[in-house]
Amino acid sequence: AQRVTQPEKLLSVFKGAPVELKCNYSYSGSPELFWYVQYSRQRLQLLLRHISRESIKGFTADLNKGETSFHLKKPFAQEEDSAMYYCALTSYSSASKIIFGSGTRLSIRP
Amino acid sequence: EPEVTQTPSHQVTQMGQEVILRCVPISNHLYFYWYRQILGQKVEFLVSFYNNEISEKSEIFDDQFSVERPDGSNFTLKIRSTKLEDSAMYFCASSEGIGSAGKNIQYFGAGTRLSVL
Repeated sequence: AQRVTQPEKLLSVFKGAPVELKCNYSYSGSPELFWYVQYSRQRLQLLLRHISRESIKGFTADLNKGETSFHLKKPFAQEEDSAMYYCALTSYSSASKIIFGSGTRLSIRP
Repeated sequence: EPEVTQTPSHQVTQMGQEVILRCVPISNHLYFYWYRQILGQKVEFLVSFYNNEISEKSEIFDDQFSVERPDGSNFTLKIRSTKLEDSAMYFCASSEGIGSAGKNIQYFGAGTRLSVL
């Protein structure tokens, strides 16, 4: 079954603390993994994708195929990072749907 | 920066009525999608559309739903006879293409909140 699991509904950390949002997936084949972010009253927007191996807004995520994980990390949280974060996957073939996790609300305390 | 535009932002309707949700995808994009998110639940795929036909649809996308690209810019989702359980946020998305190299990145609209009374 194709599935994305985000075990934490809410993650609250202090400003300046490290952040790790967990994501595990189940997929037969080679998926592409993404993190989407939704700031308050804004649309879903792509944060990063595993294939590009970039750091966006200080966030990184490494695909671990052995553990089928794609955890999102940032060494020092900032207040503007407070948002809803969705881990997601798709396949490379066809006009493929995105399968989303249930999301983690990240709250950064001052 | 080009954006996917959705109208209306909020639609209230009576159970059994037909609704049409409208989307204007990014102009050079060729693949179009609808997703929905029931309050407190995951964002779920409904349907993908390419070259004037449905590419893939989920189990949710039953005979009550239809999609259309009536002209060169709009992409619509019609729900023929709304049910209470259709109340959700509906997101339109578009992508330039498929496959790797970034063409498959889906850009989302701000959503239409559908409230069925």
